[in-house]
Amino acid sequence: DTAVSQTPKYLVTQMGNDKSIKCEQNLGHDTMYWYKQDSKKFLKIMFSYNNKELIINETVPNRFSPKSPDKAHLNLHINSLELGDSAVYFCASSPGLAGYEQYFGPGTRLTVT
Amino acid sequence: GENVEQHPSTLSVQEGDSAVIKCTYSDSASNYFPWYKQELGKRPQLIIDIRSNVGEKKDQRIAVTLNKTAKHFSLHITETQPEDSAVYFCAASYPGAGKSTFGDGTTLTVKP
Repeated sequence: DTAVSQTPKYLVTQMGNDKSIKCEQNLGHDTMYWYKQDSKKFLKIMFSYNNKELIINETVPNRFSPKSPDKAHLNLHINSLELGDSAVYFCASSPGLAGYEQYFGPGTRLTVT
Repeated sequence: GENVEQHPSTLSVQEGDSAVIKCTYSDSASNYFPWYKQELGKRPQLIIDIRSNVGEKKDQRIAVTLNKTAKHFSLHITETQPEDSAVYFCAASYPGAGKSTFGDGTTLTVKP
């Protein structure tokens, strides 16, 4: 069984469009995250949710809006996409609030043209 | 907040040699130090971790050491193989942080 899954795997869209990425984990973890990995391979946290509540927002533009309908799901909606949003977005989950033992999803490669 | 620095950014070794990647952290409250391996086009995966009550941990060819006083920790890979080629990330976190702070990654290339 897949532990952390994301859809879609690839997303190609034009500037100004709105898109969403979905994430689900079946590990029973309390905490979920969104990361952005740019072309330089840096792994930067964007958001952290614990039991559906936002814990961390790392100064991400408000065009990015995460939503957690329950603790197994964390979705990311992006409005008015820009060229600089092109990156791989990873969802992850962990059992507690300390960021321990994170399991990552397969990633969503977003290309904005 | 926590700041994690990782060195070197790139590392090339011959198959069979050892590889060492070093990280320093700034927040003395950090007590959990994982290492993630990311192969090309794949997701990061946890390969080993260490908690602050332990100075060293080994798992087959990989080991991690922690020096709390100096606030640094290192990943050691012995008898490297081409399949060890990947980007390695260190991280640090503490209870209630809500996240781990990641280093910038080290690209390890093992030449056959």
